Amino acid sequence: NAGVTQTPKFQVLKTGQSMTLQCAQDMNHNSMYWYRQDPGMGLRLIYYSASEGTTDKGEVPNGYNVSRLNKREFSLRLESAAPSQTSVYFCASKAIGGFSANEQFFGPGTRLTVL
Amino acid sequence: SQKIEQNSEALNIQEGKTATLTCNYTNYSPAYLQWYRQDPGRGPVFLLLIRENEKEKRKERLKVTFDTTLKQSLFHITASQPADSATYLCALVPYYGGSQGNLIFGKGTKLSVKP
Repeated sequence: NAGVTQTPKFQVLKTGQSMTLQCAQDMNHNSMYWYRQDPGMGLRLIYYSASEGTTDKGEVPNGYNVSRLNKREFSLRLESAAPSQTSVYFCASKAIGGFSANEQFFGPGTRLTVL
Repeated sequence: SQKIEQNSEALNIQEGKTATLTCNYTNYSPAYLQWYRQDPGRGPVFLLLIRENEKEKRKERLKVTFDTTLKQSLFHITASQPADSATYLCALVPYYGGSQGNLIFGKGTKLSVKP
């Protein structure tokens, strides 16, 4: 099992450029999440998908869109990147039911810099 | 306002001692609370979960307590080792109108264990 994988690991964008961060999990989890982590701010939820076919806004959704492509994959898109979106982005997944139902599994992160 | 606070940004202790990290919350009705470990450049890794009706949970050298009257969780690492050096994140799942909300993270405490 690879767990949760994210691509790319690093990315530098210019203001106004767009990009999509990819996330996939091989644990057959129902729920998937996108967070951003900034110094002094902690992890903040951007969007989540409680199950395949549904997506909902989290605490800081402005400037982002998401797609739950299938049960395995959940992508995050920045349509017009801004310097305020410079951050480390983490994808996470969680099962519903079962022994590890409440534990979130995180990917390795994508470090994004917007110039 | 609703807050989750980890009252130390950094904690330095000597190897072999017990590390105690604190997590306080205000204006939440918690369903349960989790602790995660995060190493530099990596995603968080789940350690322990404690529910609102539980006072204490243990896992090897780790112990978590939960006092809903004080609105506080304590995370203990006994016989600490340099390998325990990392940032530890507290995260809470609140009740909203009878349903559980999403994980809300504290900013973390960076623990350094000196040999």
